[in-house]
Amino acid sequence: GQNIDQPTEMTATEGAIVQINCTYQTSGFNGLFWYQQHAGEAPTFLSYNVLDGLEEKGRFSSFLSRSKGYSYLLLKELQMKDSASYLCAVLDSNYQLIWGAGTKLIIKP
Amino acid sequence: GAVVSQHPSWVICKSGTSVKIECRSLDFQATTMFWYRQFPKQSLMLMATSNEGSKATYEQGVEKDKFLINHASLTLSTLTVTSAHPEDSSFYICSARDMGKGGSSIEQFFGPGTRLTVL
Repeated sequence: GQNIDQPTEMTATEGAIVQINCTYQTSGFNGLFWYQQHAGEAPTFLSYNVLDGLEEKGRFSSFLSRSKGYSYLLLKELQMKDSASYLCAVLDSNYQLIWGAGTKLIIKP
Repeated sequence: GAVVSQHPSWVICKSGTSVKIECRSLDFQATTMFWYRQFPKQSLMLMATSNEGSKATYEQGVEKDKFLINHASLTLSTLTVTSAHPEDSSFYICSARDMGKGGSSIEQFFGPGTRLTVL
């Protein structure tokens, strides 16, 4: 079966750095997405990785290792507004998004 | 960027009534739209893939006669929850791909979601 694993909840301090991991086992791979979702709102796009390596975009970076079935989202200089759920999703061989359960990130002052 | 709208943003209805939710791509054409359901503290669950001009493809366990999907144009898909019951109360989210980018766009753009509460 297809499976996406990410931690349920993480806590970090304002101004610090946090890394949210995601491991996946899917039928085929056409890229991995990270989305941010605030409570009661729809997900918003953060990043897309299809090749191995690190993609940096401002305070957010995303890393992919296809051989290990592993990705992480790195958030730097954390702000209170970064408190949200972060969803990892893989595009499988049928170009269908397989979603992880999401990681709830709590930022403390 | 591509914008997807949903209407209504929230709805409260009595058990047994039907509710229609609209999903529109405002500045792009979408031959494919997706309907998701999300229960509290859970991830998105794909309900069905809506294809313009053809029947929707439903995921296993989703009743096609209860969740009617119509994708009549390249910018509009509708989801009708028929004979709604309290267990249908959830957050319904649609998304769409911008097929204008050479037909190879990967990113899905999400609507703001519709919160349905069935009393």
